[in-house]
Formats: sequence, C-alpha cells, structure tokens
Amino acid sequence: AQKVTQAQTEISVVEKEDVTLDCVYETRDTTYYLFWYKQPPSGELVFLIRRNSFDEQNEISGRYSWNFQKSTSSFNFTITASQVVDSAVYFCALSEPLYNFNKFYFGSGTKLNVKP
Amino acid sequence: DTGVSQNPRHKITKRGQNVTFRCDPISEHNRLYWYRQTLGQGPEFLTYFQNEAQLEKSRLLSDRFSAERPKGSFSTLEIQRTEQGDSAMYLCASSSEREAYNEQFFGPGTRLTVL
Repeated sequence: AQKVTQAQTEISVVEKEDVTLDCVYETRDTTYYLFWYKQPPSGELVFLIRRNSFDEQNEISGRYSWNFQKSTSSFNFTITASQVVDSAVYFCALSEPLYNFNKFYFGSGTKLNVKP
Repeated sequence: DTGVSQNPRHKITKRGQNVTFRCDPISEHNRLYWYRQTLGQGPEFLTYFQNEAQLEKSRLLSDRFSAERPKGSFSTLEIQRTEQGDSAMYLCASSSEREAYNEQFFGPGTRLTVL
C-alpha cells in the first residue's frame, strides 16, 4: 500500500496566485515525521518544511505554510503569491523513526508550473 | 561547500557492464541512505547505513546491487551486469542521529542510463 499519496500530478498557476499541494499519508505509528521537499529541474532535492506527529500547530514561514491534520492524515503545503522560480516538482515524505530506520517514504510528486 | 556530493553526475553504460557510484555525506552525519528515482516517480528507498553498518536493504536491491560504507564515511553503490531497467537517478542522502527529525540532506544524484 502506498504510504504517501499525492493525488495532484501537475498544477499550473499564474504568478502571484496561491497554490496548495495536497498530501495524504498512511501509518500505524504514533510517532512519525512529515516533510516537504522541492526538486527543481537540476534534480537536487531541497528540504522545505517538516512536522512531527505530536505537533499539529500550523505555521507560516515566509511564503510557505502548511496544514497538518491528523484526523484526515493530511499534510498540505501552500505557497502564497507564487513565483516563476517556484516551478518544480514537490514531494511529500513520511518517516517512521521507531521501526523503519527513519527511511523516507515519498509520494509520487506534484509538478508545479508557475507561469509569468 | 559542505553538502552531500555524488560522483559521477551522469553515467552512460552498455547493458551487462558494471558501474559504481560514490557518495560523500556531510562530514558529521553518521546516517547514510541510498534511494532510486525513476522518471515521474518519487525516490524509493534502497539501503541504509548507520556509521559503517548496513542496517537495512530494500527488496528493490537485487543481488546485482551492493553498497558499502567503509570507515563510516563515504559510500559506494555498485551495480553488476546492468540492465536497462536499472536506468534511473540514484540519490544519496545523509543525516545525523543527533537531529531529532532525522532531516535528510540529499546530494545532486547520479543519473544512470543503460543502453
């Protein structure tokens, strides 16, 4: 079974629009971590945000914000006032530190196209 | 630059040849991971080292694949008798046991093309 699902394959927006990327995860562990990574065309995965399972407080960091809801097993990521440089593939990842050596389970990614 | 480095960045080989990739993690990181990413997919876990010990191997890692991390520093991933299905991006990541979230830092990857 897929542990991390990103249902949106590709999203296109116009610059300055807000965009939300969806992520649904599955785990039986009570302790887990969630991450969002960005992969620009150059290929290197860049860490964006993280959250642990005990902290459902949603936060804003610059133009990034996230909405973590354990009740729906969702960890959605929002970019406010998108820019062309935000164009990339975004991956949601889950790690289960107690039993799985902290390896990451990635979703299949959402390709974001920000048009000028 | 003190990030994760990988060499080579690109490798083109003929089917049946052996290839070896190298990963140099961030120096103070004791955890090292290998992932494989095929086109249009997210990275998939291959194997994990804590210091020099290989503690987990995915079922994706067939017996043609072997990874080492001598002395707990750099790591190598070797693929023997390459097949066209091995064509992918191979990503290395490192993290520190002291970091609560085990945030993994990724290298630029080695893109393998098997002809």
